[in-house]
Amino acid sequence: DAMVIQNPRYQVTQFGKPVTLSCSQTLNHNVMYWYQQKSSQAPKLLFHYYDKDFNNEADTPDNFQSRRPNTSFCFLDIRSPGLGDAAMYLCATSSVSEAYNEQFFGPGTRLTVL
Amino acid sequence: EDQVTQSPEALRLQEGESSSLNCSYTVSGLRGLFWYRQDPGKGPEFLFTLYSAGEEKEKERLKATLTKKESFLHITAPKPEDSATYLCAVRSNSNSGYALNFGKGTSLLVTP
Repeated sequence: DAMVIQNPRYQVTQFGKPVTLSCSQTLNHNVMYWYQQKSSQAPKLLFHYYDKDFNNEADTPDNFQSRRPNTSFCFLDIRSPGLGDAAMYLCATSSVSEAYNEQFFGPGTRLTVL
Repeated sequence: EDQVTQSPEALRLQEGESSSLNCSYTVSGLRGLFWYRQDPGKGPEFLFTLYSAGEEKEKERLKATLTKKESFLHITAPKPEDSATYLCAVRSNSNSGYALNFGKGTSLLVTP
């Protein structure tokens, strides 16, 4: 089945220690997104890629970076995690050729910062 | 700035007790309203897209409707497996064209 895969599902890191989260997709969608979701809150868009074009949301901290080496993979790098960065990180994909560009989400990575 | 407000924040129903969840929105040029279901510790699962006022979509016990100011997710004769958080999101002319602006969700609990 076509899907969005995130690894790892759970990640524990130490305060200030860089961490990388991974997302891959078999849907061949041209847009990939990273969202941050804290407990009982709405998902908040951090950035997205349209093909190789990177689009950062205005309020995304500089501590968050992303890479998309090819269509299938996208990475979220947190350079110096703080306690406030503990959250669920969701990857999503969409295709601009679809009428309403619906976004399909992966299962998420739960990040804990000690 | 787009605003999406969902109510109630939490809803407890008995199995078979039908009800509706509300999503009210204020946007500059709606380009789609989306409903998702999210189970604890998982990513949101896509349910419906609505685009025009008056539009309705159905899937099993769920029916989504749209007006110019709000959307409803009607749940008919719910079962315990319908327990989840239901998220509403909008895309509009005021954001990047790809971004979804989510509401905080309604947490639904259906008891046997």
